[in-house]
Amino acid sequence: DVKVTQSSRYLVKRTGEKVFLECVQDMDHENMFWYRQDPGLGLRLIYFSYDVKMKEKGDIPEGYSVSREKKERFSLILESASTNQTSMYLCASRTGPFYEQYFGPGTRLTVT
Amino acid sequence: KQEVTQIPAALSVPEGENLVLNCSFTDSAIYNLQWFRQDPGKGLTSLLLIQSSQREQTSGRLNASLDKSSGRSTLYIAASQPGDSATYLCAVSPGTSYGKLTFGQGTILTVHP
Repeated sequence: DVKVTQSSRYLVKRTGEKVFLECVQDMDHENMFWYRQDPGLGLRLIYFSYDVKMKEKGDIPEGYSVSREKKERFSLILESASTNQTSMYLCASRTGPFYEQYFGPGTRLTVT
Repeated sequence: KQEVTQIPAALSVPEGENLVLNCSFTDSAIYNLQWFRQDPGKGLTSLLLIQSSQREQTSGRLNASLDKSSGRSTLYIAASQPGDSATYLCAVSPGTSYGKLTFGQGTILTVHP
């Protein structure tokens, strides 16, 4: 079974803090993704990585950065957390563009 | 720009009913379409993936069809159960670039005993 894990299910941070969200997949997938999901706005792509050390901006990259030093791990970084970054964050991975995409359980981030 | 629409937005049915969820997309140049299920507060679970060359895929009580030329897919759930209650999302992958998925807004399904 494909497994995508995220470091925290729930996270509470203060405005201005630097926040790291970690995602690990165990299936040697090439592609990895970070989304956020908000009521009424659906799933929005923040960043994706099609290979180690490669990254591409998604639809809403502002305020975020990513790191992929190893194939199995994709990190999302909030450089200076703000209240409008309170959201559900979902990581996903897949072998390639013609294959199924698998999601992690999500991290509910609250910025106060 | 690809747009994905799911109808209805919400559906409530009694247990045992067969039901159909609809997904439509504006650009037929897709490579595949994937159906997901999402329980409240959880991540997405992949249900079915249909390649553009396929007409349908089946998994247990689920059957998904794809009509690429008309830009439509349906998810058929047979003999619904309360445990099927969830949000169902469809997503299409383009035939170009790195295949970033475009998601619909989802259908919230409630199956009551």
